[in-house]
Amino acid sequence: GAVVSQHPSRVICKSGTSVKIECRSLDFQATTMFWYRQFPKQSLMLMATSNEGSKATYEQGVEKDKFLINHASLTLSTLTVTSAHPEDSSFYICSAPIGGVLEKLFFGSGTQLSVL
Amino acid sequence: DQQVKQNSPSLSVQEGRISILNCDYTNSMFDYFLWYKKYPAEGPTFLISISSIKDKNEDGRFTVFLNKSAKHLSLHIVPSQPGDSAVYFCAASATGNQFYFGTGTSLTVIP
Repeated sequence: GAVVSQHPSRVICKSGTSVKIECRSLDFQATTMFWYRQFPKQSLMLMATSNEGSKATYEQGVEKDKFLINHASLTLSTLTVTSAHPEDSSFYICSAPIGGVLEKLFFGSGTQLSVL
Repeated sequence: DQQVKQNSPSLSVQEGRISILNCDYTNSMFDYFLWYKKYPAEGPTFLISISSIKDKNEDGRFTVFLNKSAKHLSLHIVPSQPGDSAVYFCAASATGNQFYFGTGTSLTVIP
């Protein structure tokens, strides 16, 4: 069964609205979660590292004010795409390492965001 | 800059034959490599890994080979089964740092 649950799987929204994506670790605690974005025919690109109880660490070129990350508990991290625009349309996916073993990441099922 | 490359976007193999998926990387600091398998509408799942101190790691039908001098790794699946049809991603990291993913290879195993 899935060990990382991600919702929603698909969202269509109007330009200018905000979208929240949730990532939950099931049956284990995740002090760290990772958020990735994948454009068609491109690789998964790490956007940010979500740390429970502290600020997220963003990769170069990722706007922290646009992609708000909250990791308020050991089982939940959220990514909010604020004031979404069509260029934000992408596949977003989260992952978490079990037992802190970074080499073994368990992924959510992803969220396909389409901004009209 | 794509540090991990999978130059074959797709591969078709007959059931029972060997599937060979290739991955190249550019960063000589990478010392840990993984292969993930992804079915449609699901997240990637961990398949097999190898550290740079080894040149081969085997797990059942799956074997990963690492050629550090060529900065190349490959995943061998033998015998291939229809259930192996999926997208396979390779990923690499330098210890303690982020993982860099390839663009994936879509494997189709023909019954």
